[in-house]
Amino acid sequence: GENVEQHPSTLSVQEGDSAVIKCTYSDSASNYFPWYKQELGKRPQLIIDIRSNVGEKKDQRIAVTLNKTAKHFSLHITETQPEDSAVYFCAASMRGNAGKSTFGDGTTLTVKP
Amino acid sequence: DGGITQSPKYLFRKEGQNVTLSCEQNLNHDAMYWYRQDPGQGLRLIYYSQIVNDFQKGDIAEGYSVSREKKESFPLTVTSAQKNPTAFYLCASTLYRGTDQPQHFGDGTRLSIL
Repeated sequence: GENVEQHPSTLSVQEGDSAVIKCTYSDSASNYFPWYKQELGKRPQLIIDIRSNVGEKKDQRIAVTLNKTAKHFSLHITETQPEDSAVYFCAASMRGNAGKSTFGDGTTLTVKP
Repeated sequence: DGGITQSPKYLFRKEGQNVTLSCEQNLNHDAMYWYRQDPGQGLRLIYYSQIVNDFQKGDIAEGYSVSREKKESFPLTVTSAQKNPTAFYLCASTLYRGTDQPQHFGDGTRLSIL
């Protein structure tokens, strides 16, 4: 089955700096790659996603890049703010996989003021 | 206001006891999922259902059971066979069957052993 590895497990940056989180996946049939943000004790919420027919997607300070050849995708957060502090999860899923998404283990991002 | 409601927020289980976690959605979503979240780990799939009266095992189904009698409801029972039930449980849904689409999550239930 699909295996998703996420790095780093923790990341600490200064406010205003950029943060990058990377995920690698194993199954080349995966075609949908969402990123979720989970604040402490709250539900995960989708912040951005990308499909395999697109190489990059941007939404204000957040961007995701996908390299299908190398089977990895990355979350980029620019001009970080303290409210960006949370756990970020990547996931990979494929069409026709009957409901199964595989999640990374999460990255705890701390933005220091 | 549409969304997913999980209850209770906190639940305590005694040895040998079965407990049921509730998940209700008013999004008119077809598919629903249950995940287990342990500290420092990602979400692991317990069970999922893509249509009423049908459900499939996920990666860690042992010790758990589900039902999907109504489109809106997907309760999870943690049985006494689950020897390590302490975790944060998240219910999710997607508009259509299949997973190449965003998942919408509930606020979770934190289960502990007494």
